[in-house]
Amino acid sequence: QQQVKQSPQSLIVQKGGISIINCAYENTAFDYFPWYQQFPGKGPALLIAIRPDVSEKKEGRFTISFNKSAKQFSLHIMDSQPGDSATYFCAASSMTGYSTLTFGKGTMLLVSP
Amino acid sequence: GAVVSQHPSWVICKSGTSVKIECRSLDFQATTMFWYRQFPKQSLMLMATSNEGSKATYEQGVEKDKFLINHASLTLSTLTVTSAHPEDSSFYICSANRDQETQYFGPGTRLLVL
Repeated sequence: QQQVKQSPQSLIVQKGGISIINCAYENTAFDYFPWYQQFPGKGPALLIAIRPDVSEKKEGRFTISFNKSAKQFSLHIMDSQPGDSATYFCAASSMTGYSTLTFGKGTMLLVSP
Repeated sequence: GAVVSQHPSWVICKSGTSVKIECRSLDFQATTMFWYRQFPKQSLMLMATSNEGSKATYEQGVEKDKFLINHASLTLSTLTVTSAHPEDSSFYICSANRDQETQYFGPGTRLLVL
């Protein structure tokens, strides 16, 4: 059972545009929602994360929007650049236990010049 | 951000041999480390959770006798793939918890078993 559903599977955005990736979760015990960026052949890098006590978090060009009632969260990349082309994974975890991450299936983003 | 290293970054071995992969947290102590496996164009699959000084907790379907995990110190965890076979070829990634919620990932180790 996939507990974190991510969409779209792939995304092409023109340079300067807004990239939007969506995730939905099922487990109401999740209370930490990070986004990771992964380039080919590299490990994932933590991009930005949010806790459910806020509805939005912004760091530079990256913004997480969080809707607790809908159990959805999304990543917005403003002014997308070719260097943003990578695979993005949303994840969720519960602060209890070992905080194991449940990952979405990933979104391959291509920002065209 | 916190730094996690892995060694080696890639390894090629013959079928039947064992391979050890090291994961180190360079600038923080990690009581918990995780080992993942990733196939091309797929998401990360958690293999096991490693806690310093205790036995690892393996995910369902992961053979603990084949994937030996040792977390000997607060900065080092090792994954040994025993009697490796071509189907074990994959990208292995570790991560470490700097605090209760934040996981930092290593650069990954690409294993090719011939």
